[in-house]
Amino acid sequence: QQQVKQSPQSLIVQKGGISIINCAYENTAFDYFPWYQQFPGKGPALLIAIRPDVSEKKEGRFTISFNKSAKQFSLHIMDSQPGDSATYFCAASINLSNQGGKLIFGQGTELSVKP
Amino acid sequence: DVKVTQSSRYLVKRTGEKVFLECVQDMDHENMFWYRQDPGLGLRLIYFSYDVKMKEKGDIPEGYSVSREKKERFSLILESASTNQTSMYLCASRSGTGSTDTQYFGPGTRLTVL
Repeated sequence: QQQVKQSPQSLIVQKGGISIINCAYENTAFDYFPWYQQFPGKGPALLIAIRPDVSEKKEGRFTISFNKSAKQFSLHIMDSQPGDSATYFCAASINLSNQGGKLIFGQGTELSVKP
Repeated sequence: DVKVTQSSRYLVKRTGEKVFLECVQDMDHENMFWYRQDPGLGLRLIYFSYDVKMKEKGDIPEGYSVSREKKERFSLILESASTNQTSMYLCASRSGTGSTDTQYFGPGTRLTVL
C-alpha cells in the first residue's frame, strides 16, 4: 500500500512537444508529492512538488496535475527541450510518527527529447 | 548551496569483501539517508538516520548496516558483499523531519560486486 507506480518507463519526445509522466498511489496518508529530476552522472534533485489540497501547480514549463479522487498525479513538460533529457522520479511523502517524513519513489521514467 | 559528497563514484569489489561507502554533507542537516537505485525499481530506502548515533531501517536493510558517529557523515557498510548488491548507491540529507522538507542527494556510487 506504500507503493507509487510510475509510467511509462521510457519516453521519447520531439523538441517542442509535451512530455507526460504519470504516477498512481494507494495510500491516502501521503501528504506531499514531489518530482525529482536526475541527469546522467548526478544525483536526483527536486524539480517541483505539490500538496494534495491543490489540483495543479505550475513552474515555468513544468506542471503537476493532481487528481485526489483517482489517487493519480502527473508531470507535464511543455515545449520539451533536449536539455530536459533526464530520468524523472515521482515520489510521495508520508509522515511517520517517530521517524519524520519518508519518501516513497516511483520506478522512474527515462525521458529523451530529440532535436 | 547544499553539498552532499560521496567518497567514490565507482567501486569494484569481490564477493565476500567488506565494503564502506562514505557520505558527507556540509549543511548541518539532522537527517541522512541511503538509497539504492536499480533500473525499473526506482530508489529504495536502505537506512536512514535522524541524529548522531541514531539509525532506522528502511525498506531493504538486509545485508547492510550503517554508522553515524558525526553529524555530517553517514556510512553504509556491506558486511560481506554479494553480487546482488551491485547497484547505484545514493546518499541524501534533509534539514528537517517534515514530509515537505527537501532531500538533497549526492552524485552516487556505482558499486560492482564480482
